[in-house]
Amino acid sequence: QTQLQESGPGLVKPSETLSLTCTVSGGTVSSSTYYWAWIRQSPGRGLEWIGTIEDSGSTSLNPSLQSRVSMSVDRPKNQFSLTLRSVTAADTAVYYCARQAGEALGGYWLDPWGQGTPVTVSS
Amino acid sequence: EIVLTQSPGTLSLSPGGRASVSCRASQIVSSRYLAWYQQKPGQAPRLVIFGASWRASGIPDRFSGSGSGTDFTLTISRLEPEDFAVYYCQQYASSPYTFGQGTKLEIK
Repeated sequence: QTQLQESGPGLVKPSETLSLTCTVSGGTVSSSTYYWAWIRQSPGRGLEWIGTIEDSGSTSLNPSLQSRVSMSVDRPKNQFSLTLRSVTAADTAVYYCARQAGEALGGYWLDPWGQGTPVTVSS
Repeated sequence: EIVLTQSPGTLSLSPGGRASVSCRASQIVSSRYLAWYQQKPGQAPRLVIFGASWRASGIPDRFSGSGSGTDFTLTISRLEPEDFAVYYCQQYASSPYTFGQGTKLEIK
């Protein structure tokens, strides 16, 4: 059973960079069947898909965040990561990582999700 | 961007009752690309339905999904106490993948 766990700082200063890591257990990030996604949730924006990375390193990003987001995969550590630059208070949210089904499975649903990590942007 | 609008915002029902949650898309969504998630307080969302009508692993058969085009429905028959939560629809037909604003199913 695949499980995901987010890690990273809970507090980031405005204009700085947020970096989060998702550790995958019970499965491998080196999969052509599944992709790996980041989603965030805040009271004001609801659930917001941030982006997805494939094993190849190819990414699909939300246009609203594309200019500030990058993602990477670390196969030896079985992890994938999110970097969000120039954060503001509007980036305060609970950040989730999730496994995303790939095209071979017929769709791109998200299952399972990590438990989420709260991030506050404040000085 | 495809906007998903859920209704109602809150649904108050009793255990044993039947719940229907609507999700309307701003443009046609292939039924292959519509999912429903359940979220309980303090927890991450959990996949309930994918491909509009396929139950995820471990989801009881009292949960069902239907619909096509721009109108989709999540139905929960014979409500159990553990079913009271917030439900979200999501489309993954086109980027950016988007979610509905959520429907809170509360105990009456």
